[in-house]
Amino acid sequence: DVKVTQSSRYLVKRTGEKVFLECVQDMDHENMFWYRQDPGLGLRLIYFSYDVKMKEKGDIPEGYSVSREKKERFSLILESASTNQTSMYLCASSEDRETGEQYFGPGTRLTVT
Amino acid sequence: AQKITQTQPGMFVQEKEAVTLDCTYDTSDPSYGLFWYKQPSSGEMIFLIYQGSYDQQNATEGRYSLNFQKARKSANLVISASQLGDSAMYFCAMREGRFNKFYFGSGTKLNVKP
Repeated sequence: DVKVTQSSRYLVKRTGEKVFLECVQDMDHENMFWYRQDPGLGLRLIYFSYDVKMKEKGDIPEGYSVSREKKERFSLILESASTNQTSMYLCASSEDRETGEQYFGPGTRLTVT
Repeated sequence: AQKITQTQPGMFVQEKEAVTLDCTYDTSDPSYGLFWYKQPSSGEMIFLIYQGSYDQQNATEGRYSLNFQKARKSANLVISASQLGDSAMYFCAMREGRFNKFYFGSGTKLNVKP
């Protein structure tokens, strides 16, 4: 079974803190993604990576950065957390093929106070 | 323009009846894929069904089928014989482009009534 794990299920941080969200997949997938999920807005893509050290901005990259030093690990970084970044963060991975569905991690609920 | 549009924020269906969840998409890419995911209250995202843009037949997976109308750019999910466990959020998604970028709709919350 494909497994995508995220470092924390729940996280509480203070405004201005630097926050790291880690995601690891065990299926040697080329593509990895970070989304945030907010009620009524669905999943919005923050960043994705199609190879080690390669990244592309998604629809809402402002205030975020990412790092992919190893194929299995994709990190999302909030350089200076703000209250409007309180959200559910979902990581996903997929094979680089046409029918490659995404496999999701369990999500991290981040609260910034 | 929205890449994926789901116009039904919430729906009710009686147990054992069929239900259709609407999804329209927008792309100029000739090659794309369409997906449906289910998200129960536990929060996990579960892949349900896939339809490729070149597939001639509608995809089916057990009680799920995808009503693919390419000219209308619609990809509706049909759930037959609804069960109480089908109560969840359902997301339509599209993959397109060189880097297999994914776009998701805002979701439809389905409630199955006993």
